[in-house]
Amino acid sequence: QKEVEQDPGPLSVPEGAIVSLNCTYSNSAFQYFMWYRQYSRKGPELLMYTYSSGNKEDGRFTAQVDKSSKYISLFIRDSQPSDSATYLCAMSDTGGTSYGKLTFGQGTILTVHP
Amino acid sequence: DAGVIQSPRHEVTEMGQEVTLRCKPISGHDYLFWYRQTMMRGLELLIYFNNNVPIDDSGMPEDRFSAKMPNASFSTLKIQPSEPRDSAVYFCASSLVGAREQYFGPGTRLTVT
Repeated sequence: QKEVEQDPGPLSVPEGAIVSLNCTYSNSAFQYFMWYRQYSRKGPELLMYTYSSGNKEDGRFTAQVDKSSKYISLFIRDSQPSDSATYLCAMSDTGGTSYGKLTFGQGTILTVHP
Repeated sequence: DAGVIQSPRHEVTEMGQEVTLRCKPISGHDYLFWYRQTMMRGLELLIYFNNNVPIDDSGMPEDRFSAKMPNASFSTLKIQPSEPRDSAVYFCASSLVGAREQYFGPGTRLTVT
């Protein structure tokens, strides 16, 4: 079993829909949780990161972390065609040589159609 | 401000040849990461450096892979000899704060025939 599980999709939604993207994980030492967006043939770019449990909002994007369930989510409100991309969750703990290590999910392919 | 720079952007080579991928991190970042991305395995961390020193190379698949960081502004990932299963997109990333807020380069698409 992988440390981080993410449904690869693909997910197709109409413009304006609320999108929910999710990851589960097994390593209880994970403390930092990130979402990256990757457009086709580009490098991943950081969207949001949160520390420990709770919610964080940035414009149309909301990240949620539930450490008790080992479950994280990214919500996109009023989705736009420009949101069409692959979304990758990533996580890390803070100890020792793991300080620099990110573990990524497989990525979810999202298409928002006009 | 320039982001992470990688070269070449595309590389096509024959099995058995040596391949060298290059990376220039963002100025001032003291962490540098090399990743490999494939459809089957997703994005995998190969090795990362802190202040030019390799910290964790447990993701390097085998001895054919090596990475160096001779100074704060340059790193290389070398594959010798290359094999078709090494075909992938290789990304370099850098950060100020370890795992958090990593900035990725555009990647090098490697094809080994």
